Amino acid sequence: GAGVSQSPSNKVTEKGKDVELRCDPISGHTALYWYRQSLGQGLEFLIYFQGNSAPDKSGLPSDRFSAERTGGSVSTLTIQRTQQEDSAVYLCASSLQVNTEAFFGQGTRLTVV
Amino acid sequence: KQEVTQIPAALSVPEGENLVLNCSFTDSAIYNLQWFRQDPGKGLTSLLLIQSSQREQTSGRLNASLDKSSGRSTLYIAASQPGDSATYLCAVRLREETSGSRLTFGEGTQLTVNP
Repeated sequence: GAGVSQSPSNKVTEKGKDVELRCDPISGHTALYWYRQSLGQGLEFLIYFQGNSAPDKSGLPSDRFSAERTGGSVSTLTIQRTQQEDSAVYLCASSLQVNTEAFFGQGTRLTVV
Repeated sequence: KQEVTQIPAALSVPEGENLVLNCSFTDSAIYNLQWFRQDPGKGLTSLLLIQSSQREQTSGRLNASLDKSSGRSTLYIAASQPGDSATYLCAVRLREETSGSRLTFGEGTQLTVNP
């Protein structure tokens, strides 16, 4: 596709369950970012991948959060043992190279009940 | 730690007005600054990217300026239209190698253009 694609667009899960969120970046983009946007709050950086370099995981809020990027393309953000405070919109972005224009997907709205 | 502030938090104007949205950042050692718009329930749409060496960028009715030394950027919207109603976000990228390429976002300005 032409843009960043995220799936699912909406996810409702029970507290304590694990969830996986998927991001398909723009083809050829080497950098991929995950952000979280909680209700009424700004965007919070979670994790950043650049090519084959070690990811910058410094924004992950707890060890329940992890992400991987396979083959330098698709990325999956996994949240284990979900809590209600994990409810938010999770946004993925990609850019052609480091420090170039970032393009965002439509996000996954996660609701933990 | 880089902090980004956007003023005002909300703005309501009649159609046709020219308006300015403000963004300030605490660490002037930025690589670039990017303006986005976000419609309710949607992702972010990139509007303009200004490199640290640039003073301004223009796209249609939008003009973004950057004064790195004072830590400020403005987004000027000419002849506003109801379709411009959205939340506008600015984000900066630091030059620090250790921070990688993360964007630090402001809280946004919620713009309403009334017909």
